[in-house]
Amino acid sequence: EDQVTQSPEALRLQEGESSSLNCSYTVSGLRGLFWYRQDPGKGPEFLFTLYSAGEEKEKERLKATLTKKESFLHITAPKPEDSATYLCAVQVLGQTGANNLFFGTGTRLTVIP
Amino acid sequence: SAVISQKPSRDICQRGTSLTIQCQVDSQVTMMFWYRQQPGQSLTLIATANQGSEATYESGFVIDKFPISRPNLTFSTLTVSNMSPEDSSIYLCSVGWDEQYFGPGTRLTVT
Repeated sequence: EDQVTQSPEALRLQEGESSSLNCSYTVSGLRGLFWYRQDPGKGPEFLFTLYSAGEEKEKERLKATLTKKESFLHITAPKPEDSATYLCAVQVLGQTGANNLFFGTGTRLTVIP
Repeated sequence: SAVISQKPSRDICQRGTSLTIQCQVDSQVTMMFWYRQQPGQSLTLIATANQGSEATYESGFVIDKFPISRPNLTFSTLTVSNMSPEDSSIYLCSVGWDEQYFGPGTRLTVT
């Protein structure tokens, strides 16, 4: 059964304290892995797509990496405005479209000034 | 990316009633998607709405409970019918193919 697990469920960091969020997946074959950011009261905002093991993507203080079993979202020197819930989603190999996206339950990040 | 709006942003409804949620996109798109996000759970796809054809529902969701309209390429509605407290959730529409772009969501509370 295709499954996506995110850890930790919640993370509190001091401003400037770098850390990583984990997204592990079990799928029959991975076509792509997606990271989203969701602020309270808003819909998820697309951040990154990763397609192959070893691939990395960066945006400001965020860097996403991918292995054959998991993805990490590294947050370097976070600021309070990075506080949000971060979601990952995997897409199964051989199929495209939203109907083949499996979302994790997210990591709720709080950055304390 | 696309700019997506939803109405209403939130509502409190009584058991047994129905609510229609509207989703408007600022550009023409072939497919629109409806998701449910329950507290502490992952986003779950309800259905895919194609213009000019019947919506395609995912396992566990049926048309009688969640009828969908797609009258043109920029607009769709989702109705939550005969509501129960278990329908309390955030409902989101999205567009995109692989990468999804989401509306702000509708927070529904059923009492």
